[in-house]
Amino acid sequence: AAGVIQSPRHLIKEKRETATLKCYPIPRHDTVYWYQQGPGQDPQFLISFYEKMQSDKGSIPDRFSAQQFSDYHSELNMSSLELGDSALYFCASSLGTENEKLFFGSGTQLSVL
Amino acid sequence: AQSVTQLDSQVPVFEEAPVELRCNYSSSVSVYLFWYVQYPNQGLQLLLKYLSGSTLVKGINGFEAEFNKSQTSFHLRKPSVHISDTAEYFCVLPSNTGNQFYFGTGTSLTVIP
Repeated sequence: AAGVIQSPRHLIKEKRETATLKCYPIPRHDTVYWYQQGPGQDPQFLISFYEKMQSDKGSIPDRFSAQQFSDYHSELNMSSLELGDSALYFCASSLGTENEKLFFGSGTQLSVL
Repeated sequence: AQSVTQLDSQVPVFEEAPVELRCNYSSSVSVYLFWYVQYPNQGLQLLLKYLSGSTLVKGINGFEAEFNKSQTSFHLRKPSVHISDTAEYFCVLPSNTGNQFYFGTGTSLTVIP
């Protein structure tokens, strides 16, 4: 069965560079959530989208932006990268508010050097 | 306010011994609850979920959890652990709006041979 696809799996950047993380939800899922998990930390909610509109916002820095496109995939754009941005970034998808059917991607491991 | 508390940050247990990972939640409305497992350097995998109905929920890999509304708990149990169960375990509560999910701080289970 198709799952949530995240790309790239690994990304290495230097300080002050930009990065774009992509998330492709399960087919027909219209809701996407982004989470950031630092080393040894629990996942922190960044932002979510429903039907291409932002539905909730968490602890997302101003340097980050995200959007959901017409095909429901989502991109997280990160600028002026800092060492502290090194983390595993998870995307999850669900169908509307049926959050009992939540599926996570394997994550993008971002390393900022 | 909604929140999830995992009372134990680290749980060492000998192989084939039983284990209980504790989770308490706070919510003023009906809840769904999930347990996710994260193996080293991997993404989040759903272990089990409580939506409604029977309070005893069985999941994958021999895990089960019991939803206790009066004690606002959703403890995870396994009668006999294996080395392969060594991982980080997260208790997760969807928000009322379904726009985000609240993670506990995680419990690191280490199975000792």
